[in-house]
Amino acid sequence: ILNVEQSPQSLHVQEGDSTNFTCSFPSSNFYALHWYRWETAKSPEALFVMTLNGDEKKKGRISATLNTKEGYSYLYIKGSQPEDSATYLCASNSGGGADGLTFGKGTHLIIQP
Amino acid sequence: NAGVTQTPKFRILKIGQSMTLQCTQDMNHNYMYWYRQDPGMGLKLIYYSVGAGITDKGEVPNGYNVSRSTTEDFPLRLELAAPSQTSVYFCASSYSMRYEQYFGPGTRLTVT
Repeated sequence: ILNVEQSPQSLHVQEGDSTNFTCSFPSSNFYALHWYRWETAKSPEALFVMTLNGDEKKKGRISATLNTKEGYSYLYIKGSQPEDSATYLCASNSGGGADGLTFGKGTHLIIQP
Repeated sequence: NAGVTQTPKFRILKIGQSMTLQCTQDMNHNYMYWYRQDPGMGLKLIYYSVGAGITDKGEVPNGYNVSRSTTEDFPLRLELAAPSQTSVYFCASSYSMRYEQYFGPGTRLTVT
């Protein structure tokens, strides 16, 4: 069982502002790092899966970076919109992927118009 | 494609009753997972499977059983329901551990 930590727990951002939050995970035996977006009353939906140190991925206004040596990943949202309001989950696994994902508790993002 | 489907959507059980939560995927994914989500606790892995006939315990397997007789189906069984099993249960599937997981709509279970 890994210790995956996310910060902050919740975040209020003005519409149009950019924001970022953090996921930290054990760097030993790293296998993959996942980011999911979870809207209220829906199911989690995948944003990114990253496996290589230094990886950067982008989807529209959302991007993520990965540092496997120090065990952290950042998620960035540029020009926040009300539809970005959701809980953002990160998850990691190790040991060659033989074990399942361990999820963090999430960052709850609220975009204020 | 329907993706990942779960039944039932809601269920109320009495303490000591048993039930099976159904999960089916039509994406031909080898990997399937069961999670429970408790308020403020995030998603916890109960069991997972890397292919038909192969299952393994996750972080919180006690009180649950699974089977995987086909690629498509991964049912979760609660034998003796307890109030601590009140939760929202999500099934998910993926191509492998390095690919994104696709989640079902969830089953909200209450044990009283």
